[in-house]
Amino acid sequence: ETGVTQTPRHLVMGMTNKKSLKCEQHLGHNAMYWYKQSAKKPLELMFVYSLEERVENNSVPSRFSPECPNSSHLFLHLHTLQPEDSALYLCASSQSLAGGFTGELFFGEGSRLTVL
Amino acid sequence: DQQVKQNSPSLSVQEGRISILNCDYTNSMFDYFLWYKKYPAEGPTFLISISSIKDKNEDGRFTVFLNKSAKHLSLHIVPSQPGDSAVYFCAASRRSGAGSYQLTFGKGTKLSVIP
Repeated sequence: ETGVTQTPRHLVMGMTNKKSLKCEQHLGHNAMYWYKQSAKKPLELMFVYSLEERVENNSVPSRFSPECPNSSHLFLHLHTLQPEDSALYLCASSQSLAGGFTGELFFGEGSRLTVL
Repeated sequence: DQQVKQNSPSLSVQEGRISILNCDYTNSMFDYFLWYKKYPAEGPTFLISISSIKDKNEDGRFTVFLNKSAKHLSLHIVPSQPGDSAVYFCAASRRSGAGSYQLTFGKGTKLSVIP
């Protein structure tokens, strides 16, 4: 079992649907991230939460709405998405330390989203 | 504008030989540089990192070299094994607000190690 678990692994939704992606980390970390991976593009940072507060929102459209109820769980709520939002959505976590951190993020296996 | 660039989308290497994956960056503020490995249908997994104040870090078959003046880093895998076949992402890290970190990724290089 990986330290970062994402569900569902695959999701197909219509443009008028509302769905959510879920991420859970079992590593005791206190920072969590959402990344988007589209075909032939680098991984793009979407949101960062540290100690349950959103600290980064990388100009993501409002049809993506993150939620971090506690340091172990992260959600990405989806509504009225577009076909171009089809991508692999990756959750990651890290430990925020004053020192000794090398920038390592631990990733989940991703949720493959298809918007019809 | 891409801050982290991997200009080779793919690389093929014979088993037992050296694999060299390259990465260039533009932002001098990065604290750490990392390499991630990704198999199909899995999330990226951390491989090796290097602090911006170092020029070399070695871990078994993997060595990362950093040339700050050229804003260039490379990952050497020797000897290459078929199980090393995967997509390798270069990433650069800088501290973000409230103790979190921003990683900026390259597009990846697909390494194929031929038996």
